[in-house]
Amino acid sequence: AQTVTQSQPEMSVQEAETVTLSCTYDTSESNYYLFWYKQPPSRQMILVIRQEAYKQQNATENRFSVNFQKAAKSFSLKISDSQLGDTAMYFCAFIRYGGSQGNLIFGKGTKLSVKP
Amino acid sequence: DAGVIQSPRHEVTEMGQEVTLRCKPISGHDYLFWYRQTMMRGLELLIYFNNNVPIDDSGMPEDRFSAKMPNASFSTLKIQPSEPRDSAVYFCASSSMGGARIGYTFGSGTRLTVV
Repeated sequence: AQTVTQSQPEMSVQEAETVTLSCTYDTSESNYYLFWYKQPPSRQMILVIRQEAYKQQNATENRFSVNFQKAAKSFSLKISDSQLGDTAMYFCAFIRYGGSQGNLIFGKGTKLSVKP
Repeated sequence: DAGVIQSPRHEVTEMGQEVTLRCKPISGHDYLFWYRQTMMRGLELLIYFNNNVPIDDSGMPEDRFSAKMPNASFSTLKIQPSEPRDSAVYFCASSSMGGARIGYTFGSGTRLTVV
């Protein structure tokens, strides 16, 4: 069975600085996708960034980028130039691909606070 | 597109009562998922449908929980009878066939409180 682990329950960062959130996963699958979701106090789950396991190039979306280390099964999220609106819970998620669609499996989340 | 629509946003009910949560997926999406979020267990998949057919309900905690999808634009999650430990946020999500690649779209969730 696949598992996703986020080892940092809470983190804080000063506005305009850079922060990295950690995520590791365990799977025997070779084809899969990884995601970071953001959940602000509004409760809405918002997709931040995604990574395809067969791509070596790390995904980037504006201020958000990932460091994907497939051999180490690590998928960290870097937020540059942190803004107050980045304050939220961040969830790492995994889904296998091939055959049936499967289940999007989430980590327990990291609560990020951006301080002015 | 209005996104995935869930109702109600909040529900407070007494123990033993029946609770029905509703979801309207994005038009054209053929997968629908029900998740439950609690502090202790995080986000857990309860059940998912493909083309209105339940595919995997192994996450449904007990027989008190049931889910239906009578058509492509509507799904319900019912709890009968409800118990205080059912208090949680329940999310509905939908995706197209390529959802594994692009991720799921979530609704705003229903916060259920059973007293």
